[in-house]
Amino acid sequence: AQSVTQLGSHVSVSEGALVLLRCNYSSSVPPYLFWYVQYPNQGLQLLLKYTSAATLVKGINGFEAEFKKSETSFHLTKPSAHMSDAAEYFCAVTPNNNDMRFGAGTRLTVKP
Amino acid sequence: DVKVTQSSRYLVKRTGEKVFLECVQDMDHENMFWYRQDPGLGLRLIYFSYDVKMKEKGDIPEGYSVSREKKERFSLILESASTNQTSMYLCASSFGSGIKAQYFGPGTRLTVL
Repeated sequence: AQSVTQLGSHVSVSEGALVLLRCNYSSSVPPYLFWYVQYPNQGLQLLLKYTSAATLVKGINGFEAEFKKSETSFHLTKPSAHMSDAAEYFCAVTPNNNDMRFGAGTRLTVKP
Repeated sequence: DVKVTQSSRYLVKRTGEKVFLECVQDMDHENMFWYRQDPGLGLRLIYFSYDVKMKEKGDIPEGYSVSREKKERFSLILESASTNQTSMYLCASSFGSGIKAQYFGPGTRLTVL
């Protein structure tokens, strides 16, 4: 069965600092991986997706994620945090069907 | 842009009431999904549908049913609402078969008193 673990339910960074949100997956087959962002009182918005092409995936709003098979990880990064990045972030995994599994989410706080 | 709309942003119902949550997508997507979102648990799949009049149970279907009479519309039904169904409900849709990103609606925050 596929599953996703997000390490850290809350992450706090200063404006301008590096953002690192961790995601580890378990999968018996090569996975497809996604990061979504949820702003307050809104639905989830796709940030980026990995579908077995390049291991470094660039998404919207300056975010990127690197697929590391040896570490079963798909961590999300952004070089410089902005106040508008404050939101909840979800990592998701799906095998070769439509069954998408979400992590518990990481709430990012950005301090001025 | 894909647009997924949900009939209500906030809903308050009483225990035992029948509740309908409606979801409409305008991109001719084949697949539609209903999730509930609870703090610390992420999103859990309730039901999904690959086609009109077709439905499949997700991880937590108990207490819920769904209806898909038209391709663009997917309804979630709580036959007899209970307090433990107080949650945020998210609808999503995706295109075709294979691995496709899901597009989400804004969510309905349901409170059952």
